[in-house]
Amino acid sequence: KQEVTQIPAALSVPEGENLVLNCSFTDSAIYNLQWFRQDPGKGLTSLLLIQSSQREQTSGRLNASLDKSSGRSTLYIAASQPGDSATYLCAVVSGSARQLTFGSGTQLTVLP
Amino acid sequence: EAQVTQNPRYLITVTGKKLTVTCSQNMNHEYMSWYRQDPGLGLRQIYYSMNVEVTDKGDVPEGYKVSRKEKRNFPLILESPSPNQTSLYFCASSFDRLPGANVLTFGAGSRLTVL
Repeated sequence: KQEVTQIPAALSVPEGENLVLNCSFTDSAIYNLQWFRQDPGKGLTSLLLIQSSQREQTSGRLNASLDKSSGRSTLYIAASQPGDSATYLCAVVSGSARQLTFGSGTQLTVLP
Repeated sequence: EAQVTQNPRYLITVTGKKLTVTCSQNMNHEYMSWYRQDPGLGLRQIYYSMNVEVTDKGDVPEGYKVSRKEKRNFPLILESPSPNQTSLYFCASSFDRLPGANVLTFGAGSRLTVL
């Protein structure tokens, strides 16, 4: 059964820093991986979708990489801002039923 | 505005009283899904649907029912709610019928408390 782990569970950084969030998964036979952002009391917003054939995706200050063979993905946030404070979740699609499995998330706080 | 709409957003009910959480999307999406989010357990899939009249169980389907009579609607039914179904529920949809093929669009969530 696929398991997705995100470390650390919480991260606090000063404004302006570049940072990396980590996501690992146990079954490397994935179809794709998505990164989401969740604000308190709100739904999830999709940030980036990386297909299994891709190595990375970029959107503005965000860059997500995928290394299927090692079962890892990273989300790089450049020049962090207080508005980036949220919980970031990764999710992978895998298995014959194309099950979507979520990690528990990393709660990011960017201090002004 | 393209969106997934869930109702109600907040609900407190008592054990055994049937309730329905509605989910509607206006993007002509094929795929729809329900998740519950619990502290320490993350998001877990309850049911999903790849097409009208086609529904499948996710990881935690016990105690829930769904239906997909129309493409835009995917209600979640709790026939006899119990306290362990107290949770934050999310509905999501995507364009392609294959799970995870495209970006998922989530609703704002429905916080359910069962006393």
